[in-house]
Amino acid sequence: GAVVSQHPSRVICKSGTSVKIECRSLDFQATTMFWYRQFPKQSLMLMATSNEGSKATYEQGVEKDKFLINHASLTLSTLTVTSAHPEDSSFYICSAPDRGIDSPLHFGNGTRLTVT
Amino acid sequence: SQQGEEDPQALSIQEGENATMNCSYKTSINNLQWYRQNSGRGLVHLILIRSNEREKHSGRLRVTLDTSKKSSSLLITASRAADTASYFCLSGSGGYQKVTFGTGTKLQVIP
Repeated sequence: GAVVSQHPSRVICKSGTSVKIECRSLDFQATTMFWYRQFPKQSLMLMATSNEGSKATYEQGVEKDKFLINHASLTLSTLTVTSAHPEDSSFYICSAPDRGIDSPLHFGNGTRLTVT
Repeated sequence: SQQGEEDPQALSIQEGENATMNCSYKTSINNLQWYRQNSGRGLVHLILIRSNEREKHSGRLRVTLDTSKKSSSLLITASRAADTASYFCLSGSGGYQKVTFGTGTKLQVIP
């Protein structure tokens, strides 16, 4: 089946540094990818929609300069948390549909970011 | 918005019992999907039911859809400890512009 590979699974960084999270679709082309963050015991909060070859669409309240998204190819989308702060510590997850609109979403295994 | 709301928020049952969780949505849909999330992991797609279907089975899973009530239910029969997870529904209405999830149902299956 379709697989989305997300790396790293865990990362610890110091305040002020930047962290890049990668999501790759391994056996399908993902023209669209979704990025979420999830706080403990809460649901997934959609941060942005990444579109191959164009600018990402950010949800209200999400700083686009803080969370840089790049979707340069049909199989790779990246999320860079810039100038990270402790409040950015969270679980970040990506997903992509493999057959277009309304097809099931395939999720990465998430990235646990801890900012010290 | 394509947000589904799951009910109950938490459910604890003994192994072997059946677990039923519900989902309500607000807009008309093309399909409704159920996902499972194990703690600290990504979501896994379980089953998709189309708007013209009323019931669908997959292994120990049974999903029903009532479009007149804008609701769906997921039944897990003969539950196992490995079914312990959070379960989310997602309603698809022709686009992924607003793909958001509800708070989910946290299922605990006690061995």
